[in-house]
Amino acid sequence: DIQMTQSPSSLSASVGDRVTITCRTSQTTSTYLNWYQQKPGKAPKLLIYAASSLQSGVPSRFSGSGSGTDFTLTISSLQPEDFGTYYCQQSYSSPITFGQGTRLEIK
Amino acid sequence: EVQLVESGGGLVQPGRSLRLSCAASGFTFDDYAMYWVRQGPGKGLEWVSGISRFSDNIGYADSVKGRFTISRDNAKNSLYLQMNSLTTEDTALYYCAKAKAGAGTGTFDYWGQGTLVSVSS
Repeated sequence: DIQMTQSPSSLSASVGDRVTITCRTSQTTSTYLNWYQQKPGKAPKLLIYAASSLQSGVPSRFSGSGSGTDFTLTISSLQPEDFGTYYCQQSYSSPITFGQGTRLEIK
Repeated sequence: EVQLVESGGGLVQPGRSLRLSCAASGFTFDDYAMYWVRQGPGKGLEWVSGISRFSDNIGYADSVKGRFTISRDNAKNSLYLQMNSLTTEDTALYYCAKAKAGAGTGTFDYWGQGTLVSVSS
């Protein structure tokens, strides 16, 4: 199974900050890497697919990059509604696996 | 509008069975693979199972293999998860999720709100 390691596990940032979350996979996943946002009590929401493609309806302040084993989710200017937990997920091989999550708090 | 509505969750004793359902609407159901993903209380996301458009390709997480069975009825626009020999480790919110077109398998663009399964004596 492909192991997913996200960092940091949690962070606190201010509105307007640039925020970066990283995801490392235990073996190559090419660009089969997705990012989701989950708010408390809600289902996850797809933000980025195929490492760098923005899902329809997602604000352009969200971006993704990387390939192989190292990936990054960036929020260019943090907004109050961006709080929640962010998960990376690989769809390169079965079983599909998720990172442990990064909890983002707004200061 | 795409809608996925799960049902069938509840409180069940260890060793018993439960069948989850997911009613899909707002898209052509048999055009997409479908999945179950679960989230234990206070925990992260865990992929449980996936099924291709015409049920010819099915996969399971090792944690449920041999106990859970995924199926779909394209005529009824419905996805199912038969869960047998339940253990306390299966306690979770179970989400139904739809595959995103053109993104390979395993990318989930729509999720239901989940159905809660609690396994306890």
